[in-house]
Amino acid sequence: QKEVEQNSGPLSVPEGAIASLNCTYSDRGSQSFFWYRQYSGKSPELIMSIYSNGDKEDGRFTAQLNKASQYVSLLIRDSQPSDSATYLCAVILTGGGNKLTFGTGTQLKVEL
Amino acid sequence: GAVVSQHPSWVICKSGTSVKIECRSLDFQATTMFWYRQFPKQSLMLMATSNEGSKATYEQGVEKDKFLINHASLTLSTLTVTSAHPEDSSFYICSARGREAVKVADTQYFGPGTRLTVL
Repeated sequence: QKEVEQNSGPLSVPEGAIASLNCTYSDRGSQSFFWYRQYSGKSPELIMSIYSNGDKEDGRFTAQLNKASQYVSLLIRDSQPSDSATYLCAVILTGGGNKLTFGTGTQLKVEL
Repeated sequence: GAVVSQHPSWVICKSGTSVKIECRSLDFQATTMFWYRQFPKQSLMLMATSNEGSKATYEQGVEKDKFLINHASLTLSTLTVTSAHPEDSSFYICSARGREAVKVADTQYFGPGTRLTVL
């Protein structure tokens, strides 16, 4: 089992729809979770972090964390073509020395 | 806030030469900097973790004598690819983590990356 798993996609959604990106992790003791967006040929850009169970909203983005089920998700409301990118889930694993462990990323395509 | 720069943004060099890449945190003090490498259509691969004033910690399989890392100050880390070969051609990305409150300090901010091409 991979430490951080994401569906590679591509996930295609129409413009204006809600895109739902999911991530599961293996370490039950993990406490810090991050979503990054990476456009092709560019470096990752932090979207948001989440540390507590529940939802955290920032503009069109909502991160959801469920530690009991060991998953974290990212919802993008009113998806725009400019949201088309690869979304990376990252987790700081316990005993990992505060290093980020990344999933392989989910490619999102927002279609006109 | 939390801006990280890298220089150069791209570099082309001949096989056997060395290339130095700089990573700077512009508006915060970075207690820890990380160096990643990313090949096309692959995920980020952590190469090493660097704490200011200490020797870098390399990930398994990364040659410390080939990828020299220096973190001499709280705002600057350098990666030197020594005797570069075509297989070292990749996208090298640094990230920095600050020293503020614990939760903020968890967060890594990435530089824009350096694309290295070795001929």
